[in-house]
Amino acid sequence: DAKTTQPTSMDCAEGRAANLPCNHSTISGNEYVYWYRQIHSQGPQYIIHGLKNNETNEMASLIITEDRKSSTLILPHATLRDTAVYYCIVRVGFSGSARQLTFGSGTQLTVLP
Amino acid sequence: NAGVTQTPKFRILKIGQSMTLQCTQDMNHNYMYWYRQDPGMGLKLIYYSVGAGITDKGEVPNGYNVSRSTTEDFPLRLELAAPSQTSVYFCASTSGTNSPLHFGNGTRLTVT
Repeated sequence: DAKTTQPTSMDCAEGRAANLPCNHSTISGNEYVYWYRQIHSQGPQYIIHGLKNNETNEMASLIITEDRKSSTLILPHATLRDTAVYYCIVRVGFSGSARQLTFGSGTQLTVLP
Repeated sequence: NAGVTQTPKFRILKIGQSMTLQCTQDMNHNYMYWYRQDPGMGLKLIYYSVGAGITDKGEVPNGYNVSRSTTEDFPLRLELAAPSQTSVYFCASTSGTNSPLHFGNGTRLTVT
């Protein structure tokens, strides 16, 4: 699976949009971009994923650049409850080494009142 | 649905003791994973399984063993507990390609 690079930490004002970047410059054409978050020490929670097109669900939007080498997770109106560690991972299907789903260190997002 | 269930939630072990961390899922997922997370760090993959009877090592398998006799269950065994195994352990499952991971709430293990 491709490696990802994320900033260690970010702050965001409550009510504003939080934009979390992820660099995955070695991504392959068939690798998906997934985002998870972990609040306190709970189990990570799935947020959103995409392949090429931008995606939106009730939690967030995912913007993937045209060359697919980077993406941005957007929380449109951040609340204090969005304070968490956000993980970006890329993966292809489930053949060979792609079966290993590994996580990096993520971005600590702190939403400030 | 219960999703992914891990037991126990907390455990304190003495050095050299053994224990089994239980993980069960009711979503009929083929793929299951064990991760550990040390304080302030990301998740590291210990073992994974792509189906009943099939397991494989992840990034940090030393000191652990797993088995997968059924689709539902994926227990993690610590044979000789060491202080370095103090961590939070997460189990996860997924149905496969283009499907997200579902995580349990973790087991907090302290070895003293």
